[in-house]
Amino acid sequence: QKEVEQNSGPLSVPEGAIASLNCTYSDRGSQSFFWYRQYSGKSPELIMSIYSNGDKEDGRFTAQLNKASQYVSLLIRDSQPSDSATYLCAVTRDNYGQNFVFGPGTRLSVLP
Amino acid sequence: DVKVTQSSRYLVKRTGEKVFLECVQDMDHENMFWYRQDPGLGLRLIYFSYDVKMKEKGDIPEGYSVSREKKERFSLILESASTNQTSMYLCASSLALAMDTQYFGPGTRLTVL
Repeated sequence: QKEVEQNSGPLSVPEGAIASLNCTYSDRGSQSFFWYRQYSGKSPELIMSIYSNGDKEDGRFTAQLNKASQYVSLLIRDSQPSDSATYLCAVTRDNYGQNFVFGPGTRLSVLP
Repeated sequence: DVKVTQSSRYLVKRTGEKVFLECVQDMDHENMFWYRQDPGLGLRLIYFSYDVKMKEKGDIPEGYSVSREKKERFSLILESASTNQTSMYLCASSLALAMDTQYFGPGTRLTVL
């Protein structure tokens, strides 16, 4: 079983809709979870981090974490064409919390 | 702002050449990481370092080595480049705090002919 799994997509949503991106992980000891956005040809940039069960909101973005189900998601409200990118889920996997494992990414396309 | 820079954006080398990829960060981060990114495989950790002169193997260290002589600089070395090392190489850094995020450089796209 892969450590971190994501739907590869592409996920297509119309402009203004809610985009829902999902991630599951295998290590129950993981403590920290991150969502990165990566535009084509560019390096990943952090969108959000989440450490506790529940929801965390930042502008149009909401991260949701459920450690019991080993599931983390990212919701993007009022999706814009500029949100079109690949979204990477990252999970810490060592006791120091400094070593990440990344999922393969989900490609999101927001259609005008 | 954290700034992570990499020595080249694009690099073309021949099979068998020794290749050096340099990464420099300006935020006094203790941790530095080297990844490669390939379509369908995502980001895979090659090596990382928690401190000067320290290094740890990641998931795919074969064919690579690293050097960290100064805190701000982390070098990835391909001892004898092979075509299957053609990839995007990304450097990242973070503070030595649990749960701190990693900040990425712009990447080096390496082609080995």
